[in-house]
Amino acid sequence: DTEVTQTPKHLVMGMTNKKSLKCEQHMGHRAMYWYKQKAKKPPELMFVYSYEKLSINESVPSRFSPECPNSSLLNLHLHALQPEDSALYLCASSQGQQGWESPLHFGNGTRLTVT
Amino acid sequence: GENVEQHPSTLSVQEGDSAVIKCTYSDSASNYFPWYKQELGKRPQLIIDIRSNVGEKKDQRIAVTLNKTAKHFSLHITETQPEDSAVYFCAASIPHSNSGYALNFGKGTSLLVTP
Repeated sequence: DTEVTQTPKHLVMGMTNKKSLKCEQHMGHRAMYWYKQKAKKPPELMFVYSYEKLSINESVPSRFSPECPNSSLLNLHLHALQPEDSALYLCASSQGQQGWESPLHFGNGTRLTVT
Repeated sequence: GENVEQHPSTLSVQEGDSAVIKCTYSDSASNYFPWYKQELGKRPQLIIDIRSNVGEKKDQRIAVTLNKTAKHFSLHITETQPEDSAVYFCAASIPHSNSGYALNFGKGTSLLVTP
């Protein structure tokens, strides 16, 4: 069982579609993350929200748009994606404070296929 | 991640033998070093972590050592079992604005334990 819930588990979308990935945690964590993972590769950081503010954007193309409506929710809005964007998208959360670093808790991910 | 190197990329051991995975990092601001295990099709899960004020930590068959001066840290698994077979990722914390942090991951080690 995971304490970070991601929906949907699988998503197939065309290059002209608009879709959203959703993530929710109820551990009281104040930092939430989006990572992208391609097959046989490590998770690659995309965005970090800390206290509901965007803290890191790792030069991610604008076709990916994050949103943090509140401290428990994190969305990733997708528009005009390319086939190479197909990957596992992992959401994670942590207590998020420098000097008190703690593990990132990952959700099960959304397996995205862009056709 | 760019500033975390991990070796070896693949490791095959016989059941009961020990396995060692090594990582180096470059950012002197890193002070938290978790290790994740990822089984095929599943999310990364924390197995052990260490902070920069500690040189060694052990949890049953798993131990981690850290040499902060040399910027090296290692994972040691003793008495390996077939269920230890998975991809193992080391990670190092990277601070960012808003007093938060993220994790950069090594490229992963695919461990195979043969009966």
